[in-house]
Amino acid sequence: AQKVTQAQTEISVVEKEDVTLDCVYETRDTTYYLFWYKQPPSGELVFLIRRNSFDEQNEISGRYSWNFQKSTSSFNFTITASQVVDSAVYFCALSVINSGGGADGLTFGKGTHLIIQP
Amino acid sequence: DTEVTQTPKHLVMGMTNKKSLKCEQHMGHRAMYWYKQKAKKPPELMFVYSYEKLSINESVPSRFSPECPNSSLLNLHLHALQPEDSALYLCASSQDLGGLPDTQYFGPGTRLTVL
Repeated sequence: AQKVTQAQTEISVVEKEDVTLDCVYETRDTTYYLFWYKQPPSGELVFLIRRNSFDEQNEISGRYSWNFQKSTSSFNFTITASQVVDSAVYFCALSVINSGGGADGLTFGKGTHLIIQP
Repeated sequence: DTEVTQTPKHLVMGMTNKKSLKCEQHMGHRAMYWYKQKAKKPPELMFVYSYEKLSINESVPSRFSPECPNSSLLNLHLHALQPEDSALYLCASSQDLGGLPDTQYFGPGTRLTVL
């Protein structure tokens, strides 16, 4: 069974501060995929990034960066120079190969509510 | 275009009503999903359709009945719901890569209130 832990329930920072959201995962599978989604108050889950278990390269996209470390089973997300528009709930999720051959759902962490104060 | 649309945006229904939620995507995806999300909780998988066939049912009560009329449409028929079924219902779609995970793209959701 898979498990994703986001220990930070809520984080509040002042605008322009850097903030890191933690994600720790558990799986016995050697091939797996990790995702981050953003859920603003409107409710829609917005895809941010996907990483597979064989690609440990860190990624940077504008103010967003991701640090994937298999040794610690972590996939952390950093927002640099945070903005009020970054306020949302952020979910880390995990998916593994479905031995049955079809698509399968995502295992989500409980989410981190990020509040950026002006 | 990574758009999944859902209608209606909001739905209020009584426990004796029958209603349907609709989801549509035009990305050529062959896997479609229904998730249920209660307030301040993560989404929980309900159903998965692969190539228009129901492949996963996460022990969802029979008062929820999914339907996939074609590769672009996904419905969720609701009947005799309970107040605890009030939640945000999210539809998603992805490529179906024969068991290999692919990115799921989500719709805006339908906020359901059962009175």
